Amino acid sequence: SQQGEEDPQALSIQEGENATMNCSYKTSINNLQWYRQNSGRGLVHLILIRSNEREKHSGRLRVTLDTSKKSSSLLITASRAADTASYFCAPHTGGFKTIFGAGTRLFVKA
Amino acid sequence: KAGVTQTPRYLIKTRGQQVTLSCSPISGHRSVSWYQQTPGQGLQFLFEYFSETQRNKGNFPGRFSGRQFSNSRSEMNVSTLELGDSALYLCASSSTRDTKSTDTQYFGPGTRLTVL
Repeated sequence: SQQGEEDPQALSIQEGENATMNCSYKTSINNLQWYRQNSGRGLVHLILIRSNEREKHSGRLRVTLDTSKKSSSLLITASRAADTASYFCAPHTGGFKTIFGAGTRLFVKA
Repeated sequence: KAGVTQTPRYLIKTRGQQVTLSCSPISGHRSVSWYQQTPGQGLQFLFEYFSETQRNKGNFPGRFSGRQFSNSRSEMNVSTLELGDSALYLCASSSTRDTKSTDTQYFGPGTRLTVL
């Protein structure tokens, strides 16, 4: 597996606004997963998008995947204070090793 | 189904001691991975086990070791603790079987290890 690089490193928005974070990777993938981590706790899986998919939705989350640009984006619509967390992407090329990047720290102000 | 459980949740040790952390995966999951998370290095992969076999290992010294039992429960051990081993240790389980795609990982709450 390879490391995804999230961008921006930090994002601060008002409640109700949309938050977009991006992930870039270097080689072909089988799937890409997004995870959320609330401060000092375990990671929670958000969405898995396969290499043959271009877009996926789950509630207020929308993930896109552009394999030609080797990038993915996570959109959180109508953000809430409870969305404050770090978000990580994990591109998978096979094997049994997940390499996480530094993540995007999202702060949603009430 | 019950989630991934990790014990203990908090641990304080002194330099030179050793520590064993435990992880119980979700019922039916045979893959268990371990990660170390520190403010400076972020989330780093330690190792992954499947059916009692270590299938992959990160770049950590030999002081870090692990094992998996026949019931899929896993333990990791750190010997001769150093101050830099202070971290949140996370365990994740998955139903991943083959090498072609890594399935969703379900994380436990972590064990916070402090080395004094």
